[in-house]
Amino acid sequence: EAQVTQNPRYLITVTGKKLTVTCSQNMNHEYMSWYRQDPGLGLRQIYYSMNVEVTDKGDVPEGYKVSRKEKRNFPLILESPSPNQTSLYFCASSFSGGGSDTQYFGPGTRLTVL
Amino acid sequence: DAKTTQPPSMDCAEGRAANLPCNHSTISGNEYVYWYRQIHSQGPQYIIHGLKNNETNEMASLIITEDRKSSTLILPHATLRDTAVYYCIVRVAEWGGSNYKLTFGKGTLLTVNP
Repeated sequence: EAQVTQNPRYLITVTGKKLTVTCSQNMNHEYMSWYRQDPGLGLRQIYYSMNVEVTDKGDVPEGYKVSRKEKRNFPLILESPSPNQTSLYFCASSFSGGGSDTQYFGPGTRLTVL
Repeated sequence: DAKTTQPPSMDCAEGRAANLPCNHSTISGNEYVYWYRQIHSQGPQYIIHGLKNNETNEMASLIITEDRKSSTLILPHATLRDTAVYYCIVRVAEWGGSNYKLTFGKGTLLTVNP
């Protein structure tokens, strides 16, 4: 089944404790992206990747890192999480090509930073 | 990307057609109209998209006015599982980087009642 998977689905952590949220897709998509969703603010893009070893900042990259060493994986790294990073996170992927391309989203990771 | 305006909420009776409007009066000629939906904190799900012509797939129909300043998403036979927030998004058609970002507004909460 074609899908985007994220792990963990739920995470409670403390300020300053490094964490990684994994994202994997099995559709051979070139483009992958991370979003965060907060009440009243909608979905905002954190980082995106056009292909392996090609990443760039989205609208809210501060406090986050990403890497794209393999085509299928795009982990989101929080080196020193803070409470303002408490949010619902979504990974998305799409094949590539023009803007008519469709993005597929993962199920989400709910992160709480105490 | 052009801004969109949607009603904050709508109700629909189960089995009836749900017609969700979207205004995008500043849309450019190279921008697609996309519809996604999000069922309570799950990952957004692609529904349909179009440029000029009306489109239909197994989930819905998309009617775009001739001047492209508005569109309507039609769910022909709404079920309780269609209760969700529906997002109308316009996005440039060109390939590349930040153009892939989906900017979600507040959307329309569609409640399908038994």
